[in-house]
Amino acid sequence: GAVVSQHPSWVICKSGTSVKIECRSLDFQATTMFWYRQFPKQSLMLMATSNEGSKATYEQGVEKDKFLINHASLTLSTLTVTSAHPEDSSFYICSSLAAAHNEQFFGPGTRLTVL
Amino acid sequence: GNSVTQMEGPVTLSEEAFLTINCTYTATGYPSLFWYVQYPGEGLQLLLKATKADDKGSNKGFEATYRKETTSFHLEKGSVQVSDSAVYFCAPRSGNTPLVFGKGTRLSVIA
Repeated sequence: GAVVSQHPSWVICKSGTSVKIECRSLDFQATTMFWYRQFPKQSLMLMATSNEGSKATYEQGVEKDKFLINHASLTLSTLTVTSAHPEDSSFYICSSLAAAHNEQFFGPGTRLTVL
Repeated sequence: GNSVTQMEGPVTLSEEAFLTINCTYTATGYPSLFWYVQYPGEGLQLLLKATKADDKGSNKGFEATYRKETTSFHLEKGSVQVSDSAVYFCAPRSGNTPLVFGKGTRLSVIA
């Protein structure tokens, strides 16, 4: 089946630093990837839709200058949390759309803790 | 846009009990319907899906039937196990739009 990986699986950083999270489709090409965030014991909230070679589309209320998304290839999308603050601590999950199956496959998530 | 309403959790059951988690949705067009499961500390895994009305999705003893007339996709399992303890998410999806999740239902199964 389709596999999506994320790196790192967890990260702890100091307030004010930037953190980059990678999302890779290991055995299929994904023209579209999605980024979600999940607070403890809550649902996944869609942050943005990332299309290969074009700018990401952000959901209402998500700061595009704070959460930089780059989808430079058909197998890699990155989310950079810039100038992270404790309120950015969350579980970030990416999802790749496999066009052949018209199905979303999810990465294992990255837990970000900002001190 | 699409939306989903799931029954509030947490749901606590004894092993071998019958499970039902209700899910109703609103969506544009004719969506596909999905149930995802999230085990503690992990990402989401597809549990089952149905792509058209009256389809039944099934996996690992779980079943859900796409009911267009009631816009529902209730999840059922005849005999739950401790290993089924997780959070379950129902989600509709129309075309290429992203999955939109409900609040999820936390299931705890005790031995």
